[in-house]
Amino acid sequence: DAKTTQPTSMDCAEGRAANLPCNHSTISGNEYVYWYRQIHSQGPQYIIHGLKNNETNEMASLIITEDRKSSTLILPHATLRDTAVYYCIVRALNTGTASKLTFGTGTRLQVTL
Amino acid sequence: DTEVTQTPKHLVMGMTNKKSLKCEQHMGHRAMYWYKQKAKKPPELMFVYSYEKLSINESVPSRFSPECPNSSLLNLHLHALQPEDSALYLCASSQDLEGRRNIQYFGAGTRLSVL
Repeated sequence: DAKTTQPTSMDCAEGRAANLPCNHSTISGNEYVYWYRQIHSQGPQYIIHGLKNNETNEMASLIITEDRKSSTLILPHATLRDTAVYYCIVRALNTGTASKLTFGTGTRLQVTL
Repeated sequence: DTEVTQTPKHLVMGMTNKKSLKCEQHMGHRAMYWYKQKAKKPPELMFVYSYEKLSINESVPSRFSPECPNSSLLNLHLHALQPEDSALYLCASSQDLEGRRNIQYFGAGTRLSVL
């Protein structure tokens, strides 16, 4: 699976949009971008995933650049409960390694008042 | 319901003890996973079960022994652990291993301390 690069940490004011970038310049055509987050003392939580089109669900939006070499996770109105480590993961589906989630170091998002 | 339940939440054991971690899900998922997470590090995959058969073992030492007695349960048997095995052990499940059905749902973990 392709490697990802994320900033170590970010701050966001409560109520503002949190934009978390991820670089995956070596992504292959059959690899999806997944986002998970881990709130302190909890297990990771699935947020969203996409291949090349932008995606939106009740938690977040995922914007993938046209060349697919980077993406941005957007939390439209961050709250204190969104303080967590956010992991961007690239993985190919329907392959022998599809079941593996390889977590990088992630971005620690701190939402402040 | 997307709940994966892990017990116990905390466990302290000596290096000569035998203990087991338990994981349960009632979502009808057929794939289950064990991850290990050291402090301030990302989770690392240990084992994957698919339809109650071991699918992936990430070269985990034999002192960790997984078991999947049925499609809802996953155990991790621990024996002769070392202090460096102290970590958060996370269980996850997904509908199966394939494609878009492989969204993994995680439990809250068991925090293990080996003395």
